[in-house]
Amino acid sequence: DQQVKQNSPSLSVQEGRISILNCDYTNSMFDYFLWYKKYPAEGPTFLISISSIKDKNEDGRFTVFLNKSAKHLSLHIVPSQPGDSAVYFCAASERNTDKLIFGTGTRLQVFP
Amino acid sequence: NAGVTQTPKFQVLKTGQSMTLQCAQDMNHNSMYWYRQDPGMGLRLIYYSASEGTTDKGEVPNGYNVSRLNKREFSLRLESAAPSQTSVYFCASRYGVSSYNEQFFGPGTRLTVL
Repeated sequence: DQQVKQNSPSLSVQEGRISILNCDYTNSMFDYFLWYKKYPAEGPTFLISISSIKDKNEDGRFTVFLNKSAKHLSLHIVPSQPGDSAVYFCAASERNTDKLIFGTGTRLQVFP
Repeated sequence: NAGVTQTPKFQVLKTGQSMTLQCAQDMNHNSMYWYRQDPGMGLRLIYYSASEGTTDKGEVPNGYNVSRLNKREFSLRLESAAPSQTSVYFCASRYGVSSYNEQFFGPGTRLTVL
């Protein structure tokens, strides 16, 4: 049973437009959510996070939105740049546990 | 700071051979993790260590053993490699005192079992 789901394996967006990556979760005990970015042949790198007491967190071009009632979060990248082309993983953590549960990833391609 | 380092970067094994993947972090983190990444499967937790001297199973522990040698080092051992263990392995660490902090990942080890 997959607790964190990224239903879109890939997304293609034109440079300068908005990229929206989606993530759904099933465990209502999750209270911290993260997005990681991964380039080929490298380890994942942390991008942005949000705790369950918030519904939005913004860092430059990246914004994460959390809808707890729908158990859904999304990552918005505005404007998208070719360097944003990578695989994006959504992850979630339950209070007082030491583990992250990852989604299967979405491959974003930003074309000129 | 080197962050999280992993050795080797690449390895090819024959079925039945054993090997140890090494991981070290220089960030004074308490928690360390081993993941495997397979196409379409995301990152799956193999084992983790919340502190020096403790280890716990993750989602896919079968066929693996781990050792938390000290606060810095966390190794993953394959006693008898199988083709199903062909994967990319990532080590990660986290400060660990609070749930609200991120994990830092190493560059990965690409393992092929023939």
